[in-house]
Amino acid sequence: NAGVMQNPRHLVRRRGQEARLRCSPMKGHSHVYWYRQLPEEGLKFMVYLQKENIIDESGMPKERFSAEFPKEGPSILRIQQVVRGDSAAYFCASSPDLNQPQHFGDGTRLSIL
Amino acid sequence: DQQVKQNSPSLSVQEGRISILNCDYTNSMFDYFLWYKKYPAEGPTFLISISSIKDKNEDGRFTVFLNKSAKHLSLHIVPSQPGDSAVYFCAASHLTGNQFYFGTGTSLTVIP
Repeated sequence: NAGVMQNPRHLVRRRGQEARLRCSPMKGHSHVYWYRQLPEEGLKFMVYLQKENIIDESGMPKERFSAEFPKEGPSILRIQQVVRGDSAAYFCASSPDLNQPQHFGDGTRLSIL
Repeated sequence: DQQVKQNSPSLSVQEGRISILNCDYTNSMFDYFLWYKKYPAEGPTFLISISSIKDKNEDGRFTVFLNKSAKHLSLHIVPSQPGDSAVYFCAASHLTGNQFYFGTGTSLTVIP
């Protein structure tokens, strides 16, 4: 019974490149959440998706960031034209329904050179 | 705007003693609260939750207390074990919302 799977675990990009982070939710979970954790800070909500729909993206930066959760395949968090300030740990979580405990993946650590 | 606050960044406790981790929140609409535990290089793991209709929830060595009037919750671990050493996050949500709001975490060290 696999948990939430995120890949890659570590991603290094140069400024201006694109970063793609993938998340496969737990089996039976249709709600996916993305969080960002900056050094010395807590988890900050970015976006909440259900299959093919963005439900709440109030935590997403308005530019360069996008997320999707297609009918088939994993959820993708995409960061275009990365900058140094994008360096962080990005966590994906899933739940079977809204307001149920979320199960987290082990995160993707993004480093920008 | 930090709606969930964990004011103690770290806590050290002797093995066998009680660990008490505290969390305060500002939004009176929050009605569902959770605690997560996080080891380095891993994602947070759900520990225990409580809804606002209760003031206490217990699961083995872990008990969460909720004081709605003070907008305060706490996690008690007793007896503390070295394997409990981790960062603990509290989180809160409200039924009409779509997200959990997380505190900044408390790093617990249990000394053998």
